[in-house]
Amino acid sequence: SYELTQPPSVSVSPGQTARITCSGDALPKKYACWYQQKSGQAPVLVIYEDNKRPSGIPERFSGSSSDTMATLTISGAQVEDEADYFCSSTDSSGNHNVVFGGGTKLTVL
Amino acid sequence: QVQLVQSGAEVKKPGASVKVSCKASGYSFTKYAMYWVRQAPGQRLEWMGWINAGNGHTKNSQKFQGRVTITRDTSASTAYMELSSLRSEDTAVYYCARDPWDILTGYPYGRFDYWGQGTLVTVSS
Repeated sequence: SYELTQPPSVSVSPGQTARITCSGDALPKKYACWYQQKSGQAPVLVIYEDNKRPSGIPERFSGSSSDTMATLTISGAQVEDEADYFCSSTDSSGNHNVVFGGGTKLTVL
Repeated sequence: QVQLVQSGAEVKKPGASVKVSCKASGYSFTKYAMYWVRQAPGQRLEWMGWINAGNGHTKNSQKFQGRVTITRDTSASTAYMELSSLRSEDTAVYYCARDPWDILTGYPYGRFDYWGQGTLVTVSS
């Protein structure tokens, strides 16, 4: 079955740029979304359609996609950005099945 | 403001069923799809199914086919997810999540702009 692959962890110092990747064979044709999940909380949508930011999400969050890889970039990461980040997309079966990545733990310290 | 409020935690025995509710407010309930997504300990998120809150059409993930039933009550702006034949591997946090509807494709977009707070379902003998 189709899978999205993320690195298990990324670590940056406050103020640095954090980049989290998500790879999947269908990404050239399918949009990616990104969710932030802090401990014990529900996920929050931070990027949709590869690079669109919902209202209320800080400008330091941006997204891009090239070929089979989508990337979430946090420019000037802050301590409060420490969380798990999941990518999601749909498979190419035509059935609109949603697939999630395994998640990346972002540490900011 | 948009809110999705789920029912409380449940403890069930293997073989039993569980029904989780998700009450929506702050938007037109029938204009969106509602997904159910679960997160088992140490596992990635996985979608279980969705319902078109307007016409009641549903689609379930093949993994849960035959075990999951998703319904809605438009008068109460509430969606429900019932999972039957529970086993220990079903222990997870279950979320409802709103998905805008893509009128061009006739499917939800697969992007979840609001989530419920989650409902922990524990399956244990």
